[in-house]
Amino acid sequence: RKEVEQDPGPFNVPEGATVAFNCTYSNSASQSFFWYRQDCRKEPKLLMSVYSSGNEDGRFTAQLNRASQYISLLIRDSKLSDSATYLCVVFPNAGNMLTFGGGTRLMVKP
Amino acid sequence: NAGVMQNPRHLVRRRGQEARLRCSPMKGHSHVYWYRQLPEEGLKFMVYLQKENIIDESGMPKERFSAEFPKEGPSILRIQQVVRGDSAAYFCASSPRGTETYEQYFGPGTRLTVT
Repeated sequence: RKEVEQDPGPFNVPEGATVAFNCTYSNSASQSFFWYRQDCRKEPKLLMSVYSSGNEDGRFTAQLNRASQYISLLIRDSKLSDSATYLCVVFPNAGNMLTFGGGTRLMVKP
Repeated sequence: NAGVMQNPRHLVRRRGQEARLRCSPMKGHSHVYWYRQLPEEGLKFMVYLQKENIIDESGMPKERFSAEFPKEGPSILRIQQVVRGDSAAYFCASSPRGTETYEQYFGPGTRLTVT
């Protein structure tokens, strides 16, 4: 089983749609959780951290369910510029590396 | 404040040659991480270095790959006798502290193509 699993997609949605991505992780001792965004052939960039209480940043909402080892990202009112690959990232309780999921590809169409 | 710098951005090597990838961390950052992204896959951790020390190399292939972060100059990821399977994007990240932080800032990557 992969440490961080995501549906690779692609998710094809029209502009203005609401889309949700899910991610599961295997290490119950994981400490910190993030969503990164990666544009084609570019470096990953931090989109937002994920807190147990859930957090929102504009059109983006992230939630964490520790009991189910599950993380989600909700994007409301999708824009063309949201088209990218969204990476679920976990920082373990022990260790130094970020552990990346394979990414979920989003394509927002006009 | 310049971000993480990597060079070259693109590198083409023939099988059996050596590849050297360089990473200059953000100013004030003394911790460097290398990740590899194979085509259509996620990023995989390779190695974590502080100045003059390798802290964690659990993700490094046992042969042909080495990394260093000297007291002066950039961090270097070295791949000897490259093979086609080494073709990938290699990303470097830096952070201002070590294991206390997950705030890693990524460079633009080096795309290695082995022909």
